[in-house]
Amino acid sequence: GAVVSQHPSRVICKSGTSVKIECRSLDFQATTMFWYRQFPKQSLMLMATSNEGSKATYEQGVEKDKFLINHASLTLSTLTVTSAHPEDSSFYICSARDRGWQFFGPGTRLTVL
Amino acid sequence: SQQGEEDPQALSIQEGENATMNCSYKTSINNLQWYRQNSGRGLVHLILIRSNEREKHSGRLRVTLDTSKKSSSLLITASRAADTASYFCATDPNQAGTALIFGKGTTLSVSS
Repeated sequence: GAVVSQHPSRVICKSGTSVKIECRSLDFQATTMFWYRQFPKQSLMLMATSNEGSKATYEQGVEKDKFLINHASLTLSTLTVTSAHPEDSSFYICSARDRGWQFFGPGTRLTVL
Repeated sequence: SQQGEEDPQALSIQEGENATMNCSYKTSINNLQWYRQNSGRGLVHLILIRSNEREKHSGRLRVTLDTSKKSSSLLITASRAADTASYFCATDPNQAGTALIFGKGTTLSVSS
């Protein structure tokens, strides 16, 4: 199947800093990518839908100014957590659709100290 | 947003026993998928069942779908300690370009 990569796999940062997470579709083009967040012992919650060349669509309760999404090319979407705080510590997972199937990246573990 | 509930939230069984997990959802779907996630790791796709299918098998996995009740079940037969993980159902809506929506998941613990 198609491959989706994420970088970095793990990041630890100080409170107040910004962190950028990259999501790449390696062998297909994705006009739409999705960002999920997963807190410990919980399920994946959809944060936003990233659309190539246009603004992302955010789910209710997700702050668009805090979680900046850029989908500048058909193979790359980035999620920037701005002014991160300890409550933003979570597992962030991206995914992309290819011919009806949704493929998931391996996730990025963010720890904000 | 999440589609609905999975039950049980946690399940502990002995090796060799069968494990059944249930999933309910709220909206119409194109298909329903089951995923597995080991602690702290990414998702592993297990099986997909389309809305016009009622049952599907893959190895030790058996999935059923009842669209009239908006529910699905995942049966793992002859469980092994290596099956210990969290299991999530995810619904794929009818609309193109929309994301999978995940249930709350069941944490399965299989002891040897």
